[in-house]
Amino acid sequence: EVLLVESGGGLVKPGGSLRLSCTASGFTFSNYNINWVRQAPGKGLEWVSSISSTSTHIHYADSVKGRFTISRDNAKNSVYLQMNSLRADDTAVYFCARDLLFGGQSPFDYWGQGTLVTVSS
Amino acid sequence: IDMTQSPFTLSAFIGDRVTITCRASQNINKWLAWYQKKPGKAPKLLIYKVSTLGSGVPSRFNGSGSGTEFTLTINNLQPDDSANYYCQQYNTQLITFGQGTQLEIK
Repeated sequence: EVLLVESGGGLVKPGGSLRLSCTASGFTFSNYNINWVRQAPGKGLEWVSSISSTSTHIHYADSVKGRFTISRDNAKNSVYLQMNSLRADDTAVYFCARDLLFGGQSPFDYWGQGTLVTVSS
Repeated sequence: IDMTQSPFTLSAFIGDRVTITCRASQNINKWLAWYQKKPGKAPKLLIYKVSTLGSGVPSRFNGSGSGTEFTLTINNLQPDDSANYYCQQYNTQLITFGQGTQLEIK
C-alpha cells in the first residue's frame, strides 16, 4: 500500500522556521517526483514546491521562493520542506503528493493526510 | 498560468448531471487534471490528461476539452459526490490549481 505521512507541523511565530517531513512507503520512492501542496483555512489548493526523483530539478511557487527549501533523502524515503521567514499567510495544511508518472508532466496520484502549520504570535 | 473555475458553488439533486468549467489563461495542451477534496481528507485524483479516469474512479465522472477550455461532468449525482472540485494544470513546472467549485447535493 502506498503511504505518504507528513510530520513537523505546529505553531510558530512570524519570522520563525519550521521543517516539514514527508515519509513514504509502499513504492520505490527513488523513482518518483514529490510535491508539496498547501491549503489555507477556507481557501483552495496551492502548489508550493516540487523535487525530482534525483533532486536534479527543483521548483517553487513565487509565494515561497527564497524562503522555502525542498530536499529529499532517498535512503530514508523522505522529502523535507524547510520553511524560513514564515508569515501569517503561510498558515495552512501542508500535503505531500507523489507524481503519477515518471518524468515529464504529471498530476499527483497519492497524497498524505497533511500537517497543519500555524503562523501566529 | 491562471486557472479560472466556474461556478464557485453548485447545488444539485441526487441523479442530476452537473458540469464544472475550467479556463486556462494560456494553452495547456492536454495537461489538465481534476481533483475531489473533502474536508479533513487528502485530495483525490479524478481525471488526468483531460479525460483519463484515475484509479478506481467511477465512469460517472467525465472530462473533456482542449487548449484553454475544459469541463468536468458528473453524471447521476450521488450523495458521496458532495465535495470541492479543483482543476490543475501541469503543463508547466509551476503548477497551478483553479480556485475550486463547491458542490452541494440537495
